[in-house]
Amino acid sequence: DIQMTQSPSSLSASVGDRVTITCRASQGISNYLAWFQQKPGKAPKSLIYAASSFQSGVPSKFSGSGSGTDFTLTITSLQPEDFATYYCQQYYSYPMTFGQGTRLEIK
Amino acid sequence: EVQLVESGGGLVQPGRSLRLSCAASGFTFDDYAMHWVRQAPGKGLEWVSGISWNSGSIGYADSVKGRFTISRDSAKNSLYLQMNSLRAEDTALYYCAKVAAARTVYNWFDPWGQGTLVTVSS
Repeated sequence: DIQMTQSPSSLSASVGDRVTITCRASQGISNYLAWFQQKPGKAPKSLIYAASSFQSGVPSKFSGSGSGTDFTLTITSLQPEDFATYYCQQYYSYPMTFGQGTRLEIK
Repeated sequence: EVQLVESGGGLVQPGRSLRLSCAASGFTFDDYAMHWVRQAPGKGLEWVSGISWNSGSIGYADSVKGRFTISRDSAKNSLYLQMNSLRAEDTALYYCAKVAAARTVYNWFDPWGQGTLVTVSS
């Protein structure tokens, strides 16, 4: 099984800041990686697919990069609505696996 | 508009069974792979199972293999998860999700339903 390791597990930042979350796969997954945002009491929402492609309607402040085993999600100019939990997920093979999540909190 | 509505959750005793359903609308159900993902209270997301558009490819998480069975019914535009031998650690909110691209097995999830809560307790 492919393990997805996300870091950090939590992150404290201020409005206007730029933050980066990393995700590492235990083996190569090409670009079969997605990023999701989840707010309390809500279903996850797709942000990025194929490691760096924007989901329709997602603002360009969210960007993804990487291929193979190392990936990053960068969020620029943080706004209050961006404070949430973020997950990476590999869909390269079964069983599909998620990272443990990064909780982004307001400083 | 794509809609996914889960149902069938509830309180069940350890060792018993439960069947979850996901009613799909707003897209050609027969063309898309579907998945179940769960989230235990206060925890992260865990992929549970997925099924291809033609049921030819099915996968399970190790934690549910041999106990859970995924299936789909094109006549009812519905996805199912039969859960047997339930354990306390199966307690979670269960989401169904559609993949984004038609007739692909390995694809990202979009959108997700709102989930149905399963509580396994005596």
